[in-house]
Amino acid sequence: GAVVSQHPSWVICKSGTSVKIECRSLDFQATTMFWYRQFPKQSLMLMATSNEGSKATYEQGVEKDKFLINHASLTLSTLTVTSAHPEDSSFYICSAPGQGSRDSPLHFGNGTRLTVT
Amino acid sequence: AQKITQTQPGMFVQEKEAVTLDCTYDTSDPSYGLFWYKQPSSGEMIFLIYQGSYDQQNATEGRYSLNFQKARKSANLVISASQLGDSAMYFCAMREAPDSWGKLQFGAGTQVVVTP
Repeated sequence: GAVVSQHPSWVICKSGTSVKIECRSLDFQATTMFWYRQFPKQSLMLMATSNEGSKATYEQGVEKDKFLINHASLTLSTLTVTSAHPEDSSFYICSAPGQGSRDSPLHFGNGTRLTVT
Repeated sequence: AQKITQTQPGMFVQEKEAVTLDCTYDTSDPSYGLFWYKQPSSGEMIFLIYQGSYDQQNATEGRYSLNFQKARKSANLVISASQLGDSAMYFCAMREAPDSWGKLQFGAGTQVVVTP
């Protein structure tokens, strides 16, 4: 089945530094990638939608200058958390629509646990 | 406004018993899809089952079945013969037609703990 590979699986960084998270679709082309954020014991909240070759669409309340999204190719989307602060510590997970019908489930990466110290 | 409501924050169930996880949704769109995902403590999202708004029959996938009551706007997940490995967070999610290829809106989730 379709696989989305997400790296790194966890990262610890110092406050003020930037962190890049990559998501690759391994055996299919993902023209769209969705980036979600999940705080402990909470639900997944959509942050933004990346589209290959065009600007990402951000959900209300998400700072586009802080969470830079790039979808440079049909198989790679990246999320960069710029000038990270402790409140950015969270679980970030990407997903891509499957091939085929609109009823196909989203295929998720395994997530990245970010800790900002 | 909350589009997906899961009213059970947590549930305990004994091994081999069945458990029903509640999910209600809110949409004015006639075309939508409902999904259930399982999230173990490791974090990955595992797709369990799908129900389309026009599907006449309730979806089933192995031990998972979906009790779809369209008029009530509910899509409850039933897990039969629970196993210890079923302990996880369970999310109900909806995709509406304008986002047909896309994004899911998730409920708050239900933490299921299966006991021996």
